[in-house]
Amino acid sequence: TQLLEQSPQFLSIQEGENLTVYCNSSSVFSSLQWYRQEPGEGPVLLVTVVTGGEVKKLKRLTFQFGDARKDSSLHITAAQPGDTGLYLCAGVSRGSNYKLTFGKGTLLTVNP
Amino acid sequence: EADIYQTPRYLVIGTGKKITLECSQTMGHDKMYWYQQDPGMELHLIHYSYGVNSTEKGDLSSESTVSRIRTEHFPLTLESARPSHTSQYLCASSVSSQGTQYFGPGTRLLVL
Repeated sequence: TQLLEQSPQFLSIQEGENLTVYCNSSSVFSSLQWYRQEPGEGPVLLVTVVTGGEVKKLKRLTFQFGDARKDSSLHITAAQPGDTGLYLCAGVSRGSNYKLTFGKGTLLTVNP
Repeated sequence: EADIYQTPRYLVIGTGKKITLECSQTMGHDKMYWYQQDPGMELHLIHYSYGVNSTEKGDLSSESTVSRIRTEHFPLTLESARPSHTSQYLCASSVSSQGTQYFGPGTRLLVL
């Protein structure tokens, strides 16, 4: 069973601070997705990374896929209250026929 | 932007009632999924389909059933709802050759 461990589980910060959340596994993934979910809504895709060592930027969000494709990180610069939400990572492993393995998520609160 | 829809968004019903949660997507995706998620918790895959007339049970055992008669439609049915079925149900779809899944807004079910 492939497991994705996300840390921290909860994070509460002030507006303007920087933060990094992590997604780690002992398994190799062929691709990894990051989603943000707001209360009462479905997860919304932020990014997909597929190449080991890949770095993708989405405005103030920077995503990195580990060289060995076992881990990923999400860094947010100058967090804003609108960044509040549950951040989920999900990976596709070889042989899974594209089923996603989800982490438990990091619940981020950005206080004004 | 993903075109995947779920109805109803909210449903409060009594024990023993039969219910069907609707999910439709207009993207022509061949793969569709149902997840169950309790507030602030991880997503659990309960059903998936790789195409018309194909349905499989997911990692989490569920008393619900699904059908896939048309590509765009993937309804979930509970024959006799119980309070233990109270949860949020999320539908998703994906293209066959990619792992990225696109989610609907979810149905929040409360069984009294």
